[in-house]
This record gives sequence, structure tokens and C-alpha cells, in this order.
Amino acid sequence: DTGVSQNPRHKITKRGQNVTFRCDPISEHNRLYWYRQTLGQGPEFLTYFQNEAQLEKSRLLSDRFSAERPKGSFSTLEIQRTEQGDSAMYLCASSLGGTGDYGYTFGSGTRLTVV
Amino acid sequence: AQSVTQLGSHVSVSEGALVLLRCNYSSSVPPYLFWYVQYPNQGLQLLLKYTTGATLVKGINGFEAEFKKSETSFHLTKPSAHMSDAAEYFCAVSDSGTASKLTFGTGTRLQVTL
Repeated sequence: DTGVSQNPRHKITKRGQNVTFRCDPISEHNRLYWYRQTLGQGPEFLTYFQNEAQLEKSRLLSDRFSAERPKGSFSTLEIQRTEQGDSAMYLCASSLGGTGDYGYTFGSGTRLTVV
Repeated sequence: AQSVTQLGSHVSVSEGALVLLRCNYSSSVPPYLFWYVQYPNQGLQLLLKYTTGATLVKGINGFEAEFKKSETSFHLTKPSAHMSDAAEYFCAVSDSGTASKLTFGTGTRLQVTL
């Protein structure tokens, strides 16, 4: 297992189009997180899953955003009707949830540019 | 609500000099604290974390941080900077519950000069 994998690495899309990103976590990790990072800022929490259950969503996650994690394995993040403000790096992370282990492993991210 | 303040968006040090990156946190519950490093166009790599126990935490690449509850601080230090340390550094806080989502600071860009 080589870590958290995110695809694509880069995505350029026209405003109004839909985009989907994929994240493959470390196989034994049961928690999966999505964060968004804009230029000059730290990552901001979007949502997280424990196994296949989506347990928390940030208010940043508008109704144009949807995330899934079928069967508790990989996850997808879809953005519908993209806007220029959606341009950012989307980071996925996974962890082995439970007391004592809060060390995430992050993927390299998907950089979205909306033109 | 939790928050993190990183003082200094840019820090420049000479190679071989002490590195000190400042982080102050706010948390209503005992915090878990983290430092991450990010290289250009990369994800974040965990440098070190404080959960419970010893307040001086040693991490990778010679970095360490000390949790000071009275000062609500978790500053990152390294005795001698190396050119390869040039990167963006993020401090983050999580509550001690089971959600473990992280709240990040805005980051400090470390420049290392010859």
C-alpha cells in the first residue's frame, strides 16, 4: 500500500460543468476526510466518513457538493455547476479511527481550476 | 469552537540557524495538536503530534514542539535549519473526541537562505 491516492492531480473545467474527484485511502483505514485548500490558506474541513457512513459535513459543503464512499473503500467528491470560487486544491486524507491515532495520511490533492 | 493562530506568514532563516515557528491555539476541551509540512503541489506530511503524555514532542527531520497549556502554545523548533526545510508549515488542532477533524492555521512559509 503506497498511501492515499487522488485522481486526477489536475482538473481544468469551464464554469457550469460538473467534476468528480476520486480518493483511494490506505486500505486498512476506516476514516476518510475531504478538505479544501485555497491559495494562501490552510486546509478547511469539508466532510468525513467512517466506513461508508458520512458522519459530518461542513457548512462549506453547499448543495452543489456531494461525497460518497460506497462500501467504505474509495470515495468520490462531485461538484455540480462549478463556479470560479470552487477553484482550489481538494485534499483527501485517511486515518485509522479510534482513541489515540489522529495522524492522518494525506493524498497529494486534486487541483481544480474553473475558467 | 477551536482555532489556531500562526504568527508570521513568512519566516526567513539562514542555513544552520534556529527555526522557530509559532502556533497558538484555542480549544474548549483538551486539544490534540499537530504540525504538518507541505511542499509545493504536494499534500501534507505529518511532522509531529501531541495527544497526551510528554509535553515535548519529537518529530521527523529533527523538528520538535512543546505543548504549553498555560500559554496555549505549540511552537515548532529545529536547532539547525537545512535548505530542504524550505516549505509551508501548518499547525492544526483537533478535539479529543472521536470526530478528529482538524482545524488548521493559515500556515507559515519557511525560507532558508545560504
